[in-house]
Amino acid sequence: GQNIDQPTEMTATEGAIVQINCTYQTSGFNGLFWYQQHAGEAPTFLSYNVLDGLEEKGRFSSFLSRSKGYSYLLLKELQMKDSASYLCAVVTGGGNKLTFGTGTQLKVEL
Amino acid sequence: EPEVTQTPSHQVTQMGQEVILRCVPISNHLYFYWYRQILGQKVEFLVSFYNNEISEKSEIFDDQFSVERPDGSNFTLKIRSTKLEDSAMYFCASGYRQESYEQYFGPGTRLTVT
Repeated sequence: GQNIDQPTEMTATEGAIVQINCTYQTSGFNGLFWYQQHAGEAPTFLSYNVLDGLEEKGRFSSFLSRSKGYSYLLLKELQMKDSASYLCAVVTGGGNKLTFGTGTQLKVEL
Repeated sequence: EPEVTQTPSHQVTQMGQEVILRCVPISNHLYFYWYRQILGQKVEFLVSFYNNEISEKSEIFDDQFSVERPDGSNFTLKIRSTKLEDSAMYFCASGYRQESYEQYFGPGTRLTVT
């Protein structure tokens, strides 16, 4: 079966750094995505990792350890607009489907 | 910047009725997907489509569901006889290359079955 775990909620302060963890156990692995989703909107792409290590993209970084089935998304210099749900999704199967975690609702406070 | 579009943005239908949700993927993309998200729950895969046939489908995608690419631009999801539990946001996504895996999501169609 497919199992992807993320914390349900996190709260952080504007300007701070937050790390959102994701652990996965899936049959097959073709990479891991992080998406941002604001309420009532579509997921928007943040990052993609297929090899172990850190990928940096502006204020956002994502890390992957395939041997540990673990990834994290690091958000720096938090802004109020970063308040959203962050979805971890693993690519599996010949059809390259995305299997999503339940998402982590991040609240950024003043 | 090219984007995936979906129509309608909101569809209300009665239980037992057929609905067709429409998507226009990004024009040079070859891989197409439907996902759904029941309110407050996670995004769930329904079906993937490539080269005019289904590549993979989930357990949710039963005989009541079908997909079609009737022309070079549209990608549709049909639900033959809607149930209350089909109420959800339905997202279409498309991708260009097998190895890039990145999927671009449309804005979604909110389906409400009464």
